[in-house]
Amino acid sequence: QKEVEQDPGPLSVPEGAIVSLNCTYSNSAFQYFMWYRQYSRKGPELLMYTYSSGNKEDGRFTAQVDKSSKYISLFIRDSQPSDSATYLCAMNSGGYQKVTFGTGTKLQVIP
Amino acid sequence: KAGVTQTPRYLIKTRGQQVTLSCSPISGHRSVSWYQQTPGQGLQFLFEYFSETQRNKGNFPGRFSGRQFSNSRSEMNVSTLELGDSALYLCASSLVQDQTDTQYFGPGTRLTVL
Repeated sequence: QKEVEQDPGPLSVPEGAIVSLNCTYSNSAFQYFMWYRQYSRKGPELLMYTYSSGNKEDGRFTAQVDKSSKYISLFIRDSQPSDSATYLCAMNSGGYQKVTFGTGTKLQVIP
Repeated sequence: KAGVTQTPRYLIKTRGQQVTLSCSPISGHRSVSWYQQTPGQGLQFLFEYFSETQRNKGNFPGRFSGRQFSNSRSEMNVSTLELGDSALYLCASSLVQDQTDTQYFGPGTRLTVL
């Protein structure tokens, strides 16, 4: 079993929809959670970072962490075609420990 | 400020050969991490270097090795290439690489092994 599970999609939504992306994890030592966005032929770029349970909002993006259920989510409001990309969840246990990534969910927002 | 650069961007090799990939981190960044990205496995951590020392290593065979130079530039080497080594190899740099530190990724080197 992988430490981090993420539905690969693809997920196709109409422009303006609310998108929900999810990851589950098995390692209870994970304390820090990140979401990356990766456009085609580019490296991942950090979108959101959080270390506590609850919600963190940044513009149209909201990251949600539920440590008791070992479940994290990224919500995108008013989705735009420019949001079409692969979204990767990532997490680590702190310090300079390695970051473990999910396999990514490919999102397509249709105009 | 220039981003993370990786060279070459594309590489085609045959089984049994060896390859060296290069990564130049953002100026001032001292931590460099390497990842292998494949469609089935996603991003898998290879190793991380800080101030020329390997601090962390993933679960890859000894054919995969790396090093970091005094100017923080890093190289990774894969010897005796196998078909399964075909992947996108990503380098990421950060100031010190801890939980408060953002990793900045390069565009990757696409390696194809024939």
